[in-house]
Amino acid sequence: NAGVTQTPKFQVLKTGQSMTLQCAQDMNHNSMYWYRQDPGMGLRLIYYSASEGTTDKGEVPNGYNVSRLNKREFSLRLESAAPSQTSVYFCASVWDTAFFGQGTRLTVV
Amino acid sequence: GENVEQHPSTLSVQEGDSAVIKCTYSDSASNYFPWYKQELGKGPQLIIDIRSNVGEKKDQRIAVTLNKTAKHFSLHITETQPEDSAVYFCAAGDNNNDMRFGAGTRLTVKP
Repeated sequence: NAGVTQTPKFQVLKTGQSMTLQCAQDMNHNSMYWYRQDPGMGLRLIYYSASEGTTDKGEVPNGYNVSRLNKREFSLRLESAAPSQTSVYFCASVWDTAFFGQGTRLTVV
Repeated sequence: GENVEQHPSTLSVQEGDSAVIKCTYSDSASNYFPWYKQELGKGPQLIIDIRSNVGEKKDQRIAVTLNKTAKHFSLHITETQPEDSAVYFCAAGDNNNDMRFGAGTRLTVKP
């Protein structure tokens, strides 16, 4: 039982490159979330998926897209990375409370 | 939407002293208030939570209090130890699993 698994753990991108952050959970939860964490700003919600087949925007969705591939997997895509997207990204699986992955540290240069 | 404010942003205490972190929220629909501890290089982990029908909850050295009328809740850590050093986040959630987080408090416990 791994909980929430995120890949990769670290990534450096050049401005304009694209990439997909992967997240998988084995807790059979319906809800999954993507947050970004920046110094002094806590955890801000990017997108969430209340159930398989549905996705909704959070507080800071611009520049991102998501896919809820199935109940287990929820991916976050940056189509054209910008330096402002340098951050630590956390995926969470939610049943009442949130269970977080280990995070992806992304640097856009 | 919900707005959660957390204070202080940094807190330094001597080992053995108590630490208190406070949060306020704005949405009356919020009914679930978890606290998370984040250690360096890791994701946040739930340490204690409280629901709106309870005023106080305790688990060994940590306790959380909730004042629903004033819309604020607090985390209390007694007899602090160096391993309590971490970033702590409060959050407020509702029945739709919509959870908003505070900005975090960096707690340092000095030996």
